[in-house]
Amino acid sequence: QQQVKQSPQSLIVQKGGISIINCAYENTAFDYFPWYQQFPGKGPALLIAIRPDVSEKKEGRFTISFNKSAKQFSLHIMDSQPGDSATYFCAATINRDNYGQNFVFGPGTRLSVLP
Amino acid sequence: DAMVIQNPRYQVTQFGKPVTLSCSQTLNHNVMYWYQQKSSQAPKLLFHYYDKDFNNEADTPDNFQSRRPNTSFCFLDIRSPGLGDAAMYLCATSRDGGGEQYFGPGTRLTVT
Repeated sequence: QQQVKQSPQSLIVQKGGISIINCAYENTAFDYFPWYQQFPGKGPALLIAIRPDVSEKKEGRFTISFNKSAKQFSLHIMDSQPGDSATYFCAATINRDNYGQNFVFGPGTRLSVLP
Repeated sequence: DAMVIQNPRYQVTQFGKPVTLSCSQTLNHNVMYWYQQKSSQAPKLLFHYYDKDFNNEADTPDNFQSRRPNTSFCFLDIRSPGLGDAAMYLCATSRDGGGEQYFGPGTRLTVT
């Protein structure tokens, strides 16, 4: 019920290509879906987030698509760059009640963008 | 810039020797979290403070303790580190348990 599934586990994309990472959740109580970017040896950094009342959110080259009925959401990175090479974690949370089982990370996707 | 700061960035300790990791924040957030992250895994929540209220995750070993002397600082104490406790330890904050958590750079703990 509290699990967030994430795929693929790893992804290799050519520079300029589109990177797509998919996540799925079960708990319909989740109401906030952030994505975190983590470089080796660093802490995760909030990248972009979406609430279920919108189907898409775009910030620069990063877009979240959200399908509430399917309980799925995805991150699209347009014009992928070598500097985007990192591990990406999706998460699902209950806003204002963001503790313990109410904040769940996906297992992560390691993205490598080839020059 | 407002931020979450962790010290030290790297810590080496001996098996069974107590160690303390520290976290401070200038975001003035009332919720602080400690996570453990092992290689190629997602962060795992150990416990969090909502203001002064301590909340332990059910599967956090008793070996791990925490202190929050004031709003800005939080400490992670590992009473008797084992080899399995070698990991990255991440501190994070949020305002009122809001969906956004802000992470520090982490402390890499090595147990010899």
